[in-house]
Amino acid sequence: AQTVTQSQPEMSVQEAETVTLSCTYDTSENNYYLFWYKQPPSRQMILVIRQEAYKQQNATENRFSVNFQKAAKSFSLKISDSQLGDTAMYFCACTRGSTLGRLYFGRGTQLTVWP
Amino acid sequence: DTGVSQDPRHKITKRGQNVTFRCDPISEHNRLYWYRQTLGQGPEFLTYFQNEAQLEKSRLLSDRFSAERPKGSFSTLEIQRTEQGDSAMYLCASSPLGRRGEGYTFGSGTRLTVV
Repeated sequence: AQTVTQSQPEMSVQEAETVTLSCTYDTSENNYYLFWYKQPPSRQMILVIRQEAYKQQNATENRFSVNFQKAAKSFSLKISDSQLGDTAMYFCACTRGSTLGRLYFGRGTQLTVWP
Repeated sequence: DTGVSQDPRHKITKRGQNVTFRCDPISEHNRLYWYRQTLGQGPEFLTYFQNEAQLEKSRLLSDRFSAERPKGSFSTLEIQRTEQGDSAMYLCASSPLGRRGEGYTFGSGTRLTVV
């Protein structure tokens, strides 16, 4: 079975600073999808960024970017210019293969942005 | 389309009672997923459908749990003879078939409390 590991249960960062959340995963597939989701206290899971494993270029979405290291099976999320609204639980997730079937989630990292 | 809708938002039930949750996916999404999330954990996969066909079930989906998607549109998740350990957030998500880059859209969840 695939596993996703988020080794940082909690992180904190000051507003406007940069923070990196780590994620490693285990898969035997060559192509798959990786995701970072944000879950604020309202509980709705919101997509932050996605990466397709066969694309070597790291994905970016405004203040959010990833460092995807396929050989190391590492998929970290960098948040630049952190904002108070970034406070949330962040989940890393991976598909089993190149089709969108079930997602495997990590246990999450609680990020707190303080003024 | 307003996204993925789940009903009810909250459900409190006595142990031993049956409960049923409903999920309405994004209308053009062929795939529909159910996850269970307990406090401080990442979502755990329960089952998913492609149109009306149930393609995969987790071992977490015991014989007390059943899910249906009779017309390939909305889905229901029923838990029979509820136990306190069933208390959790039940999340529904949907995804399109073929447009894999769009990823998954999650609903706000149904929080079940078994007393």
